[in-house]
Amino acid sequence: GQQVMQIPQYQHVQEGEDFTTYCNSSTTLSNIQWYKQRPGGHPVFLIQLVKSGEVKKQKRLTFQFGEAKKNSSLHITATQTTDVGTYFCAGPSGTSYGKLTFGQGTILTVHP
Amino acid sequence: NAGVTQTPKFQVLKTGQSMTLQCAQDMNHEYMSWYRQDPGMGLRLIHYSVGAGITDQGEVPNGYNVSRSTTEDFPLRLLSAAPSQTSVYFCASSYDEGSPLHFGNGTRLTVT
Repeated sequence: GQQVMQIPQYQHVQEGEDFTTYCNSSTTLSNIQWYKQRPGGHPVFLIQLVKSGEVKKQKRLTFQFGEAKKNSSLHITATQTTDVGTYFCAGPSGTSYGKLTFGQGTILTVHP
Repeated sequence: NAGVTQTPKFQVLKTGQSMTLQCAQDMNHEYMSWYRQDPGMGLRLIHYSVGAGITDQGEVPNGYNVSRSTTEDFPLRLLSAAPSQTSVYFCASSYDEGSPLHFGNGTRLTVT
């Protein structure tokens, strides 16, 4: 079945450093979604990418969808302590939009 | 507007007991789903529903039953709890398949 892999699993940064997490799918995705989960909280939707090569920005966050629509990345510029949490990518499984497959997530720790 | 409401927040069961995790949403969303979250494994889809009266299996359905008699409610039933079902369970809903998910606050279940 479809697999969605995320790297790295953990990332520790000093406040002000940049951070990037990568997401790779074993199959071509029709779209990809990104979520953030604060410690002890629930996942919260960040963004959805649909087009090949698409790049979207949300303040210090930059999201990219690969040309082949099999990979994606999330880059945070100048991390802040409020960025702490786990970042997940997720994509539909095959032709069933109902089956959203999540990556394992990247746990980001920001040291002040 | 409460969003997605899950009850209970915490539950401890003994092996072999049964219970129902409740999930309700007040956003008139057609799509609802249940995920379990275990350390290092991301979010895994248990069951999902694309509308009242329609349910389907996700990635890890064994040991769980669901039903969708109304648009608002999507309960998850554990028939005979096992220690392997110790996890955090999240219910999520969206306007339709492919739309961003809105998650509940989660239920932390421990099976001893």
